[in-house]
Amino acid sequence: NAGVMQNPRHLVRRRGQEARLRCSPMKGHSHVYWYRQLPEEGLKFMVYLQKENIIDESGMPKERFSAEFPKEGPSILRIQQVVRGDSAAYFCASSRSIAANNEQFFGPGTRLTVL
Amino acid sequence: QKEVEQNSGPLSVPEGAIASLNCTYSDRVSQSFFWYRQYSGKSPELIMSIYSNGDKEDGRFTAQLNKASQYVSLLIRDSQPSDSATYLCAGEGGNEKLTFGTGTRLTIIP
Repeated sequence: NAGVMQNPRHLVRRRGQEARLRCSPMKGHSHVYWYRQLPEEGLKFMVYLQKENIIDESGMPKERFSAEFPKEGPSILRIQQVVRGDSAAYFCASSRSIAANNEQFFGPGTRLTVL
Repeated sequence: QKEVEQNSGPLSVPEGAIASLNCTYSDRVSQSFFWYRQYSGKSPELIMSIYSNGDKEDGRFTAQLNKASQYVSLLIRDSQPSDSATYLCAGEGGNEKLTFGTGTRLTIIP
């Protein structure tokens, strides 16, 4: 299956712990996007990355959240000192290039629960 | 005005009928448009993309874009129970990030 892969699918953390969410884009895709979906709310953009570069992080909270997409390996969204309000579904999407009309394909998501 | 607005529904349509889903958008997200289907507890699945005024057809789905009215719609012909889902409209304003509406919940009644 050459689709977008995310792990873990479910993650439970206690308040104050760290959460690490991983995303491997589709084969041939070099653009990665992270979105968050809170219960009963729409999908909200968080960050857009290319290999080794953060292109746009305008949707990401200034504190506790960070993202990276290293030269080798998956993209990682990191949430430090989690709070209950961080409980949500986090989706990663990837696209081939901006020249390809930016069709973004989503992974299965990581559902984060903060106790 | 929200950047992307959808009627949240719920919308109920008899099986075999045409389901019509609508979306309006602001100037900030006026480059490209996408329709995603999301089943409960699952991730969004891309159904259609549209960039130019007019209609674009793919099987039972037709996307319509009217840039003068800032309006994009999705028609589903011969609706099936498996089409029951939340449909998300998304716009992109030239900066690669998608702005989503809150979704329309569609139920196809057998």
